[in-house]
Amino acid sequence: EPEVTQTPSHQVTQMGQEVILRCVPISNHLYFYWYRQILGQKVEFLVSFYNNEISEKSEIFDDQFSVERPDGSNFTLKIRSTKLEDSAMYFCASREYGTPNSPLHFGNGTRLTVT
Amino acid sequence: ILNVEQSPQSLHVQEGDSTNFTCSFPSSNFYALHWYRWETAKSPEALFVMTLNGDEKKKGRISATLNTKEGYSYLYIKGSQPEDSATYLCDNAGNMLTFGGGTRLMVKP
Repeated sequence: EPEVTQTPSHQVTQMGQEVILRCVPISNHLYFYWYRQILGQKVEFLVSFYNNEISEKSEIFDDQFSVERPDGSNFTLKIRSTKLEDSAMYFCASREYGTPNSPLHFGNGTRLTVT
Repeated sequence: ILNVEQSPQSLHVQEGDSTNFTCSFPSSNFYALHWYRWETAKSPEALFVMTLNGDEKKKGRISATLNTKEGYSYLYIKGSQPEDSATYLCDNAGNMLTFGGGTRLMVKP
């Protein structure tokens, strides 16, 4: 069964550095999402992406964040200048267009640790 | 941004207690209601998809009901166990959007 894949599984970076988290959604899906979960806290929506542009974004998704679908396959989340509070599990998800019965399909997540 | 709301935001129960929480959505803009279970540091697990008013779904000790006319779904857990501790999320598919904020359940042994 097709699945969403995320790389790397764990990323350690120093505060102020740029990171790129990568996701390969399921190939026939058209809606893409990023979420994060800070350890011990609730899930937070970051951004949704459709037709090569952002559909919705949360307050968390400020100018330090950006998303891109550079090659029709990958879907990336970039944090330009990481902060300690960006440490979290980041999950990518995708959904097939036109099928409201279809659940979101999630990757296994990238654990980002900012030191 | 969020047109789905969940309550309560967090819930602490003792092992063996039964519990329930709510997902509210706009009844005028409903496609399908999804419940997910999300343990910390793991991928979310799809629990139920419900589409018709009056739908009831069950999976072990967990069950869910749907009222599309009034715009809510209830998730019930019978005899909570520590392994039920997770965030439970609902999603109104078709809105190109997001989950409700989730209900974080913590079951104490």
